Amino acid sequence: QQQVKQSPQSLIVQKGGIPIINCAYENTAFDYFPWYQQFPGKGPALLIAIRPDVSEKKEGRFTISFNKSAKQFSLHIMDSQPGDSATYFCAAQLRDTGFQKLVFGTGTRLLVSP
Amino acid sequence: NAGVMQNPRHLVRRRGQEARLRCSPMKGHSHVYWYRQLPEEGLKFMVYLQKENIIDESGMPKERFSAEFPKEGPSILRIQQVVRGDSAAYFCASSPSGTGFMGRGAFFGQGTRLTVV
Repeated sequence: QQQVKQSPQSLIVQKGGIPIINCAYENTAFDYFPWYQQFPGKGPALLIAIRPDVSEKKEGRFTISFNKSAKQFSLHIMDSQPGDSATYFCAAQLRDTGFQKLVFGTGTRLLVSP
Repeated sequence: NAGVMQNPRHLVRRRGQEARLRCSPMKGHSHVYWYRQLPEEGLKFMVYLQKENIIDESGMPKERFSAEFPKEGPSILRIQQVVRGDSAAYFCASSPSGTGFMGRGAFFGQGTRLTVV
């Protein structure tokens, strides 16, 4: 099953809060999991990514937690700021595809209020 | 250092017309990917091309859609006889190589928003 299920669809937090966005997958052949940030009218930009042999990865205020046995991964944004308001997509890439083909989640629209 | 350039940014077509979407990859990138984003949905892979070759078109609708990446010039996504359901944002990404992970190696353009009226 080549799907990535993402939740919630939308999220509102106050400045300084920690929004958490969750994704789940079925296909164990996925072996690379990036998160993308998209502002209105713009293309997606890679935010952070993780391999399944790592349980957590942190880059600045962004952290990915990965649970291989549950086939779930999540994005945490620490000390969120109004400038983080955007749509966030999780994605997954199949092992050995030989090229960069991604399966995207349906996106989470995040609003960080001042 | 220009990024991935897509044009036009917005395109309006009447049903039955043809839509041509252009993508100029980043300098030095020879691999291009097209994705489609329907309203309120994630991006869906359409096609992967290298110069003069279609490597994978498994995400392309079988009819009316075609893509090319000639030796010279931009990659073109062509939609013939457009229908309302083709209305979407079409994104192009490019990378210096096709192997490995999408990590830092691929960059998305700003997209072309196609509206079929």
